[in-house]
Formats: sequence, structure tokens, C-alpha cells
Amino acid sequence: DVKVTQSSRYLVKRTGEKVFLECVQDMDHENMFWYRQDPGLGLRLIYFSYDVKMKEKGDIPEGYSVSREKKERFSLILESASTNQTSMYLCASSRYRTSGSTDTQYFGPGTRLTVL
Amino acid sequence: GQQVMQIPQYQHVQEGEDFTTYCNSSTTLSNIQWYKQRPGGHPVFLIQLVKSGEVKKQKRLTFQFGEAKKNSSLHITATQTTDVGTYFCAGPNGNKLIFGAGTRLAVHP
Repeated sequence: DVKVTQSSRYLVKRTGEKVFLECVQDMDHENMFWYRQDPGLGLRLIYFSYDVKMKEKGDIPEGYSVSREKKERFSLILESASTNQTSMYLCASSRYRTSGSTDTQYFGPGTRLTVL
Repeated sequence: GQQVMQIPQYQHVQEGEDFTTYCNSSTTLSNIQWYKQRPGGHPVFLIQLVKSGEVKKQKRLTFQFGEAKKNSSLHITATQTTDVGTYFCAGPNGNKLIFGAGTRLAVHP
């Protein structure tokens, strides 16, 4: 079974703090994703990585950065947390496909971040 | 850019009633995926449809992919309280997925 784990289920930080959210997958997937989920807005892609040290901006990258130093680990960084970054953050992974099809995404349990 | 729209945003039903959520894409899709997120949980893959006009069933759930491969639907027959959650459709964009906003289903016993 694919397992995607996230470093924290709940996190409370203060405005201006640097925040690290970590995600680890154990299925040797090439693709990893960070989403944020807010009521009524669904899943919005923040960043995507298809290989080690490779990253691509998603729909809402402002205020975030990412790091992928190892294949199994994808980190989301909030350089200076703000209250509007209070949200549920979900990590996902999938296999890389060269054809037109897209593989299933497997999600971690999520981190609920509150910025005070 | 590519958009995936889903309706309704929210629906509540009495247990035993049927439920349908609809998904529409602004572009033709090579495939469509459906996910379910239980309250307090994370999205979990349900199914993928690939062929034009494809219909797949999982017990009381029926998934359809439109002939033009731009729309899809999920129908639940005789809902149960275990069906509660948010259902998302997602269309591919390279190796990424574009998710609909989801339909939240509430089932009253």
C-alpha cells in the first residue's frame, strides 16, 4: 500500500515565522504535489515536483517555496507566515507518465496550519 | 487555462434517496478521475474513466464519462450515511490534475 506521511497533523505558528511542512512517500513515486484546501475552493495546487531538485509552480505559489533534495521527500516552506495562509495543506504523490494519461494521486493525511 | 467545474457545491439528502454530482471541463479530457474525502480525512481515489461514453459501477456508485469526453457524472443509488463526504472530479494536465471544487454530500438518517 502506498503511504504518504506528513510531519504534523496540526500546527500553530505566529505571523512572520518560517514554517516547514514535510511530506514523505514510500512508493518511489516521481511526482509530488502540495495543495491547500479551503472551504468552497477545493484543492488548489501550490507547487509540483516531477524529479529530485525539479519544481514547477502551481496555481497559487505566492508566499511559498519548496524543496526536493531526495526522491521520497518534498518540503513546503512558508518563508514568513501570514494569517491568510491559515489552511489545510495536503501533500500527494503519483507515478510519472510520459504518455497522455495521468496516474492516480495518493494523498497524505494533511496538516492543518493556523497562523496567529 | 483549463478549468474543471463541478455542481452542485453542496447537497443534503435523506438516507435512501439518490444523489448525483456533475463535472464539466473546459477542454476535452484524456481521462477523468474521481476522489472521495470523508469529513476530517484526505482525498482517496475512487475510479478513473478513459473511454468516450464509458460507464463504470462500484456497488451503488455509477460513474459516466461523456461522449465528447468533456463531462462526467457520479450517481449514488439509495444513499447511506457512509456516503457522507466530499466528492471531487479531476482532469489531467500533463502529470498534474485539475480538481473540481467538489460536491459535499450530507445524508440525514
